[in-house]
Amino acid sequence: DQQVKQNSPSLSVQEGRISILNCDYTNSMFDYFLWYKKYPAEGPTFLISISSIKDKNEDGRFTVFLNKSAKHLSLHIVPSQPGDSAVYFCAAINTGGFKTIFGAGTRLFVKA
Amino acid sequence: EAGVAQSPRYKIIEKRQSVAFWCNPISGHATLYWYQQILGQGPKLLIQFQNNGVVDDSQLPKDRFSAERLKGVDSTLKIQPAKLEDSAVYLCASSLVGAGGLNSPLHFGNGTRLTVT
Repeated sequence: DQQVKQNSPSLSVQEGRISILNCDYTNSMFDYFLWYKKYPAEGPTFLISISSIKDKNEDGRFTVFLNKSAKHLSLHIVPSQPGDSAVYFCAAINTGGFKTIFGAGTRLFVKA
Repeated sequence: EAGVAQSPRYKIIEKRQSVAFWCNPISGHATLYWYQQILGQGPKLLIQFQNNGVVDDSQLPKDRFSAERLKGVDSTLKIQPAKLEDSAVYLCASSLVGAGGLNSPLHFGNGTRLTVT
């Protein structure tokens, strides 16, 4: 049962352009969402999060948008840099359940 | 601050053998997690500890997997006997409190890559 879905396995973007990574979820009880970034041979690292009471959160070049009615969130990276090349995981939490559920990840390639 | 430490980094065993992984979380982090990440998939929670008590082990294959957290600090995850489908990266994570949200995201170690032949 995939409660968090990242339907694009990979994405390729030119340096300086915008990267948009998408995530859909099925459980309406999720109330907190996060993005993690993972480089090869390393563990995932926290990038940015958003509470379900908000529709946007921004941190430097990274912005997360949440559309609760569509059960959809997206991560925007502007401008994209080669160092952003990594796997990005979308994650969701039902704080009542105390469990973080991860999507399958999207591999981002930023070409110089 | 020192990050989450895991060992070993790599392990190759034959099926039906046993294996153990070790994790030392960030100092002061009450919650510790073991995740299994199979190639091409996202991390899947195996077990979650709050201090030295188990909060969630609903997806831990208890007939072959076991985990403990001694004195609410270090943790070990054991597989006995291993199967081919256990080949994965085993990630340990810790957080200050709770589920990993609400200003307390997960901090992951670099994982142990297990290959079962």
